[in-house]
Amino acid sequence: GENVEQHPSTLSVQEGDSAVIKCTYSDSASNYFPWYKQELGKGPQLIIDIRSNVGEKKDQRIAVTLNKTAKHFSLHITETQPEDSAVYFCAASIGGTSYGKLTFGQGTILTVHP
Amino acid sequence: EAGVAQSPRYKIIEKRQSVAFWCNPISGHATLYWYQQILGQGPKLLIQFQNNGVVDDSQLPKDRFSAERLKGVDSTLKIQPAKLEDSAVYLCASSATGEKLFFGSGTQLSVL
Repeated sequence: GENVEQHPSTLSVQEGDSAVIKCTYSDSASNYFPWYKQELGKGPQLIIDIRSNVGEKKDQRIAVTLNKTAKHFSLHITETQPEDSAVYFCAASIGGTSYGKLTFGQGTILTVHP
Repeated sequence: EAGVAQSPRYKIIEKRQSVAFWCNPISGHATLYWYQQILGQGPKLLIQFQNNGVVDDSQLPKDRFSAERLKGVDSTLKIQPAKLEDSAVYLCASSATGEKLFFGSGTQLSVL
């Protein structure tokens, strides 16, 4: 089955710095790669996603890049703010048939210091 | 637009007892998922429904877990009997297209 590895497990940055989280996946049939932000006591919230036919996608301060050949994808957050502090999860679709069947990474605890 | 509703918010039971969780998806969302999130880990898919039919339950421990989605709207997830390792947050998610998932806040289960 699909295996998703996520690094780093914790990331601490100063406000205004950039943050990068990286993930690798094992199933070459995976074709959808979302990123979720989870705040304490809440469910994961989708912040950005990318499909396998696209190499990069950007939404304001957030961007995601995908390298299908190497089977890895990354989340980039620029100009970080304290409210960006949360746990971030990458995910990959299980096989190529349903985007909603996801395998998640282990999560990255991001702390942005004012 | 109302989000995915889940109840109860917290549940504490003793091992070998039974427990049930309830989920009301976003109106009009045909696809519903149950995920299990153990502390410090990412969510793990348990079961996927399309309307009131099961699409995938390959990762559901069927000897103790069961789920249903009557009338293609609300869903319940049951554990009977519970084990210590079932302690986790149970997340319900729904989707209109089978693509972007919207998660509820989850039910935090503690098995003592």
